[in-house]
Parts: sequence; C-alpha cells; structure tokens
Amino acid sequence: SQTIHQWPATLVQPVGSPLSLECTVEGTSNPNLYWYRQAAGRGLQLLFYSVGIGQISSEVPQNLSASRPQDRQFILSSKKLLLSDSGFYLCACQPYSGNTIYFGEGSWLTVV
Amino acid sequence: EDKVVQSPLSLVVHEGDTVTLNCSYEVTNFRSLLWYKQEKKAPTFLFMLTSSGIEKKSGRLSSILDKKELFSILNITATQTGDSAIYLCAVRSTGRRALTFGSGTRLQVQP
Repeated sequence: SQTIHQWPATLVQPVGSPLSLECTVEGTSNPNLYWYRQAAGRGLQLLFYSVGIGQISSEVPQNLSASRPQDRQFILSSKKLLLSDSGFYLCACQPYSGNTIYFGEGSWLTVV
Repeated sequence: EDKVVQSPLSLVVHEGDTVTLNCSYEVTNFRSLLWYKQEKKAPTFLFMLTSSGIEKKSGRLSSILDKKELFSILNITATQTGDSAIYLCAVRSTGRRALTFGSGTRLQVQP
C-alpha cells in the first residue's frame, strides 16, 4: 500500500517570505497527486492536482504554485506568503489503479 | 460546479448514543461518494459508495447512498469518545480528477 510523506509538519513564516512544502509517495507508480488546504475546522479546498510529471492543474487563483519534478514528488511553493495563506495543507495521492484518495499527515502553516 | 453540503456542522453526544451524519450533493455525472474521518491530522478513509441502497458497514459505522435524492448518511452506533473527530464527505464526478469535499461535521462524544 502507498505511504505519503509530507514535510515540514509545522511551519511559521513571516509575510512576504517564500514557501516550500514537499510531498513524496511510496508504494505506487504514476499516481494522481493533490494539494488541498483546510482552514480551521472547515472542509478541504483543492488547490492543485497532477496526473503526471510536469502536469499541473490549478483549481483556484492564488499566489501559490505547484510542481511535480518526479513521478512521486509533489511540491507546493510560494514566492511571497500572505497572511491568508495560513492553514493546514494536505498532500493526497490516488493510486493509478484505484478510486480512493489517501492523505499525508499534513503541514500546519502559520504566516505571521 | 460540484457541491457538497454536510449537516449538522457540529454535534455533541454522550457515549452510547447513536448519531446520523448527513451529506447532500449536486454533481454533474456522479461517480462515487466517500466518507473520511479526521482526528488530528490526515483524514482516514472510511467508505466509498457508488450504488444506491447498498449499505457499507465497518464495525459500529455504516453508510448508505441514495442517488435519486442525492444524499448519503453515515451512522455511528454506541458512540465512544474515540469517535470524536471531523467527518468529511466527498464526491467524485466522472471526468474530474479530484474529490469535492463538504465542510465536515465535527462530532464530539462526551464520556
């Protein structure tokens, strides 16, 4: 079964600083990969998804970007963080042959 | 645009109670509905439903889908404090690669 590693687990960054959250997947090949954000006590908002290396689809306009340099690596970035970027970021994976999405442990981002 | 609405938003019960969580949806070309439990960090998968009227069951948890009325329920019987969590409902439509989530129901089970 697949394992999703996500880091860092917790991050406190000043406004205007850059961001890099990394996600790697083990146990599956050619998965669909996702970045979701969850505001406190709320549902999950899809930010980006990727069906393959270098293929990124963005769901909402924002100052975040995503990249998939390798099949099982997905990176969420920002050049300049805003206060509104604070939240809980979840990387998720759908195995190539599956219908269920599985989540990493998440990264808490606080922009101060 | 796909839409998922969960109710209630929050719920406080006592151990031993039975609870029913609701999820209604509006999607184009429905494919499946999924339930997740989120305690502290990562949501964990509970059920995936694709057909109406077929109950999925796991221990004290069960779920059923009504594709005609466009909703699903998640039942938890004999609740325990360990059931305290946010329960998320999500739907997938054909042609869409990602899940659309509801805002979740926060369940608190008191001893």
